[in-house]
Amino acid sequence: AQTVTQSQPEMSVQEAETVTLSCTYDTSENNYYLFWYKQPPSRQMILVIRQEAYKQQNATENRFSVNFQKAAKSFSLKISDSQLGDTAMYFCAFMNPLGTDKLIFGTGTRLQVFP
Amino acid sequence: DAGVIQSPRHEVTEMGQEVTLRCKPISGHNSLFWYRQTMMRGLELLIYFNNNVPIDDSGMPEDRFSAKMPNASFSTLKIQPSEPRDSAVYFCASSHDRGGYNEQFFGPGTRLTVL
Repeated sequence: AQTVTQSQPEMSVQEAETVTLSCTYDTSENNYYLFWYKQPPSRQMILVIRQEAYKQQNATENRFSVNFQKAAKSFSLKISDSQLGDTAMYFCAFMNPLGTDKLIFGTGTRLQVFP
Repeated sequence: DAGVIQSPRHEVTEMGQEVTLRCKPISGHNSLFWYRQTMMRGLELLIYFNNNVPIDDSGMPEDRFSAKMPNASFSTLKIQPSEPRDSAVYFCASSHDRGGYNEQFFGPGTRLTVL
């Protein structure tokens, strides 16, 4: 069974600084997808970034980028130039596209951005 | 598009009562997911429908929980009888299954409190 682990329950960063959130996962699959979701206080789940395991190039979306280390089963999220609006819970998630499409989530990291 | 619609947004009930949560997926989407979010267990999949048929219900906690999808535009999650440990946020998500990666779009969630 696949598992996703986020070892940082809480993180904080000052506005305009860079912060990295950690995620590790366990799977025997070779092809899969990894995601970072943001959940602000509004509770809405928002997809931040996606990585396909067969792609060696790390995904980037504006200020958000990932460091995908397939052999190490590591998938960290880097937020550059942090903004107050980045304050939220961040969830790492795994999907096996050959399975039922279900997302397997980590326990989340609460990120606080300070002015 | 209005996105995934869930109702009610908040539900407070007493132990032993029946609770019905409702979801309207995005028009044209043929996959629907019910997730539950608790402090103890995080986000976990309860059940997944594809073309209105339940494909994976291995996450449904027990017989008190049931889910239906009578047509492509409506799904319900019912808890009968409800218990305090069912208190959680319940999310519905939908996607358009075209094979490979299918992004899931989440509704705003229903916060259930069972007293």
